Amino acid sequence: NAGVTQTPKFQVLKTGQSMTLQCAQDMNHEYMSWYRQDPGMGLRLIHYSVGAGITDQGEVPNGYNVSRSTTEDFPLRLLSAAPSQTSVYFCASSPRGIGVTFGSGTRLTVV
Amino acid sequence: AQTVTQSQPEMSVQEAETVTLSCTYDTSESNYYLFWYKQPPSRQMILVIRQEAYKQQNATENRFSVNFQKAAKSFSLKISDSQLGDTAMYFCAFMKPLIQGAQKLVFGQGTRLTINP
Repeated sequence: NAGVTQTPKFQVLKTGQSMTLQCAQDMNHEYMSWYRQDPGMGLRLIHYSVGAGITDQGEVPNGYNVSRSTTEDFPLRLLSAAPSQTSVYFCASSPRGIGVTFGSGTRLTVV
Repeated sequence: AQTVTQSQPEMSVQEAETVTLSCTYDTSESNYYLFWYKQPPSRQMILVIRQEAYKQQNATENRFSVNFQKAAKSFSLKISDSQLGDTAMYFCAFMKPLIQGAQKLVFGQGTRLTINP
């Protein structure tokens, strides 16, 4: 049972490049979400999903897209990376009850 | 919108001492959940303790306990007999009731705790 798996763990992008952060969970959780962690600001919600085919915006959605074609996967897309998107990104999943499981994070640097 | 405030950016104590981390929050909800997460240098987010707002009794998990003051909107974490492995960033987090099934956490800024030998 792997839990929540994020890939890659580290990534360096040039401004304007695009990329997808992968997130997969094997716990059959309905709910998945993406957070970003910046120094001094804690974690902030980017996008979330309450089930396959259903997504919604969180607190800081600009510059990011998501989709949820399966229960297991919830990729986060950066269409045109900007230095302001340099951050640590966490994917999380949870069942209908209370209990959020986080992935190990992706450290993204945009130069 | 809910906000969570941790007023102590850094704290440092000696091993075996007791330390209390502060957290205050602002909400108009009457039912909600509060959490403390630990983030060691490995970056992993680890749930330390959880409190349901409708429960009067303070949650306890081994050496970790909370002081939940609902009227004051305060949720502090006490670590007893601190250990070197407790060195980490600690985040306080708020979750409002499950609307449309979504579980959305609102985090504080974090407190960096160092346990010295």
